[in-house]
Amino acid sequence: EAQVTQNPRYLITVTGKKLTVTCSQNMNHEYMSWYRQDPGLGLRQIYYSMNVEVTDKGDVPEGYKVSRKEKRNFPLILESPSPNQTSLYFCASSYTRNSNQPQHFGDGTRLSIL
Amino acid sequence: AQSVTQLDSHVSVSEGTPVLLRCNYSSSYSPSLFWYVQHPNKGLQLLLKYTSAATLVKGINGFEAEFKKSETSFHLTKPSAHMSDAAEYFCVVIPYGGSQGNLIFGKGTKLSVKP
Repeated sequence: EAQVTQNPRYLITVTGKKLTVTCSQNMNHEYMSWYRQDPGLGLRQIYYSMNVEVTDKGDVPEGYKVSRKEKRNFPLILESPSPNQTSLYFCASSYTRNSNQPQHFGDGTRLSIL
Repeated sequence: AQSVTQLDSHVSVSEGTPVLLRCNYSSSYSPSLFWYVQHPNKGLQLLLKYTSAATLVKGINGFEAEFKKSETSFHLTKPSAHMSDAAEYFCVVIPYGGSQGNLIFGKGTKLSVKP
């Protein structure tokens, strides 16, 4: 089944403790991205990747890191999480970077930073 | 700057009645336009897309949307609401000449369906 898989789905942690949210897609998609969703603000793009070893900042990249060493994986790293990073996070992928391609979303990761 | 506005944050309809979710965008030329649906505890799922072909676009689950360039609108409609349509809906724009990295999300419209 074609899918985008995020892990963990839920995480409660404390300020400053490094964490990684994994994202994997099995559709051989070139493009991958991370979003955060907050009430009243909709979805905002954190980072995106056009292909392996190519990453770019989105609208809200501060406090996050990403890497794209393999085509299928695009982990999101919070080196020193803070409470303002408490949010619902989505990973997404699309076949190419072209504007006519829809994005396929994972089911989300709910992070709570205490 | 490019933007997308969903005119209603919450819409409530009765089962069996029509649904209208409104979306306006700002773009100098014809953008790519999408509607996504998000059910509780789930990721976003594509409903339909417009990419400069037919202006009336049919999607899944009986939804459709009409691209009106003169009104810069891309409203989502369904003739008869079903209880399973209760969800949040997002209008998404990629400006002309842009790529996936230039996605602009609306703030979402929550649809409630009363029995």
